[in-house]
Amino acid sequence: QSALTQPRSVSGSPGQSVTISCTGGNIEVDGFKYVSWYQQHPGRAPKLILYEVSNRPSGVSIRFSGSKSGNTASLTISGLQTEDEADYYCCSHPSLFGGGTKVTVL
Amino acid sequence: EVQLVESGGGSVPPGGSLRLSCAASGFNFKTFWMNWVRQAPGKGLEWVASVNDDATQKDYVDSVKGRFTISRDNDNNFLFLQMNSLRVEETAIYYCVRDSGWNRFDSWGPGTLVTVFS
Repeated sequence: QSALTQPRSVSGSPGQSVTISCTGGNIEVDGFKYVSWYQQHPGRAPKLILYEVSNRPSGVSIRFSGSKSGNTASLTISGLQTEDEADYYCCSHPSLFGGGTKVTVL
Repeated sequence: EVQLVESGGGSVPPGGSLRLSCAASGFNFKTFWMNWVRQAPGKGLEWVASVNDDATQKDYVDSVKGRFTISRDNDNNFLFLQMNSLRVEETAIYYCVRDSGWNRFDSWGPGTLVTVFS
């Protein structure tokens, strides 16, 4: 199976915005219609925060937004807060996860 | 409230076997695809296996094909993963995950730890 590439880490100060990219080298573009994103705090199970590129499940903050261009998807966290410090994973169809990005709030 | 609770993890030597279980509640289990996803210590997420709602379709990551078997009991709301010929590198937390469609992994259990020691 092919790989999804994410930056290892990103950081920002409280209130700033950060963007995490997710690139699939030879993932079919159609597969990226179904990109989902997960947030994982240390010692906890992952939590779905976006699906089908930009849809937020009920209860997820509007500060999380998603977009896609070709076979690159992006997650943007706006108005960064301390509780956003976590690992973030993208996932494309069929069931391929990115390597994860650690978000640090400075 | 949707609940997924895994059990069956433990320590085994290389070549050993384990059977993981996942008890599901709070939703109509028999209408959802279900998955197992694992995470090695300090590493990222890796999808392991999926089964469709009536267990007529099963899929596996290449590295476990022929050794792992996913199954489900829709009468009692359980998901299973039979793991044979375990390898050291398969030491991980194994999560039971509900799929609401097209990789919308919307509910995760707390996970169960599998340790394969040499």
